[in-house]
Amino acid sequence: AQKITQTQPGMFVQEKEAVTLDCTYDTSDQSYGLFWYKQPSSGEMIFLIYQGSYDEQNATEGRYSLNFQKARKSANLVISASQLGDSAMYFCAMREGRRNAGNMLTFGGGTRLMVKP
Amino acid sequence: DGGITQSPKYLFRKEGQNVTLSCEQNLNHDAMYWYRQDPGQGLRLIYYSQIVNDFQKGDIAEGYSVSREKKESFPLTVTSAQKNPTAFYLCASSIGLGWASYEQYFGPGTRLTVT
Repeated sequence: AQKITQTQPGMFVQEKEAVTLDCTYDTSDQSYGLFWYKQPSSGEMIFLIYQGSYDEQNATEGRYSLNFQKARKSANLVISASQLGDSAMYFCAMREGRRNAGNMLTFGGGTRLMVKP
Repeated sequence: DGGITQSPKYLFRKEGQNVTLSCEQNLNHDAMYWYRQDPGQGLRLIYYSQIVNDFQKGDIAEGYSVSREKKESFPLTVTSAQKNPTAFYLCASSIGLGWASYEQYFGPGTRLTVT
């Protein structure tokens, strides 16, 4: 079974509008962490936001927020006021407690976001 | 500036040759990682290292080898045993171990093409 599932291979959004990128995860651990990374065409992975499984509040970082629904095992990324520079691949990743000895991450397949002017 | 460097950005090799990809970090991070990314896909873990002189296999270690002789360096060798070596390789590091919001910082990547 896939640990991290991103069901949207590609998405378009109009500049200045908000967009939600979906991420569902599968784990039997009680302690885990969820991350979102952005990968521009240059290839570098840029950390955006983190949500811990015990965090009661949804994480926010500037224009990024994470819609964490623990019971549904979803951790969707919301980007408000999209900008042309937001066009990139976006990856959801999880660190499970059981595998935490090496702080290892499992990545989803990614969503390509394209912002239209 | 602190960060992770990978060189070269593009690398071309003939089939049957071993090739070593470099990864250097000056962030004083304990843990380092190597990932492989194929076109249109996510990252898969090859090897990781928690401390100097210690490293562990990830999900797809076959055909690869690593060393960790210095804290700041974690080179990856793609051997001739790796059946499909053409890919984008990303190195990462994180501040430490244990349970916390330790994000991984990534280098710019090396795109390896084997023909």
